[in-house]
Amino acid sequence: SAVISQKPSRDICQRGTSLTIQCQVDSQVTMMFWYRQQPGQSLTLIATANQGSEATYESGFVIDKFPISRPNLTFSTLTVSNMSPEDSSIYLCSVRDGNTIYFGEGSWLTVV
Amino acid sequence: QKEVEQNSGPLSVPEGAIASLNCTYSDRGSQSFFWYRQYSGKSPELIMFIYSNGDKEDGRFTAQLNKASQYVSLLIRDSQPSDSATYLCAVSVNTDKLIFGTGTRLQVFP
Repeated sequence: SAVISQKPSRDICQRGTSLTIQCQVDSQVTMMFWYRQQPGQSLTLIATANQGSEATYESGFVIDKFPISRPNLTFSTLTVSNMSPEDSSIYLCSVRDGNTIYFGEGSWLTVV
Repeated sequence: QKEVEQNSGPLSVPEGAIASLNCTYSDRGSQSFFWYRQYSGKSPELIMFIYSNGDKEDGRFTAQLNKASQYVSLLIRDSQPSDSATYLCAVSVNTDKLIFGTGTRLQVFP
């Protein structure tokens, strides 16, 4: 299975700042995804990171708030912009590898 | 109606028993079905996936899919305290996008 590394694993952020999360995969993958898991909630897809084109965002998520880059087939970044306490969540990078979908270890963000 | 529904639990079972976790989904076009386990403070870990009607077994785990009833379940045999976690059901239609249920918390007591 694909090995997915995320950085940072955990951070405490000030309100109004932005943070970029990195996702590195040990093999080339076509599909990369970003999910959010708010405290006590399940996972919600933010967007699909497309290599060579703009990300595809789900309803309720916009590029200005969550800009995404996908410069190649093994790497993607998600930026959480102008953070508020409501953005305190786990952000998870996910990839499809064969028939299955795997998750990274997650980036645990707390906004104060 | 939620797209993927699970009983939030907690489901409490004694050690050695069979734990049965259930999930229903609303989109009849759903094609792929996944079960993830999530320990507190950790990211989801894939347990099994299933595409075809019927049962699929992997060690102590059995996934069951009934597309006519829009129902997928996970059975855990010989439950262990280490199985105590939240189990997430996820469904994919015709893309790689996963729609998750809210998860069922399982507690296995000695």
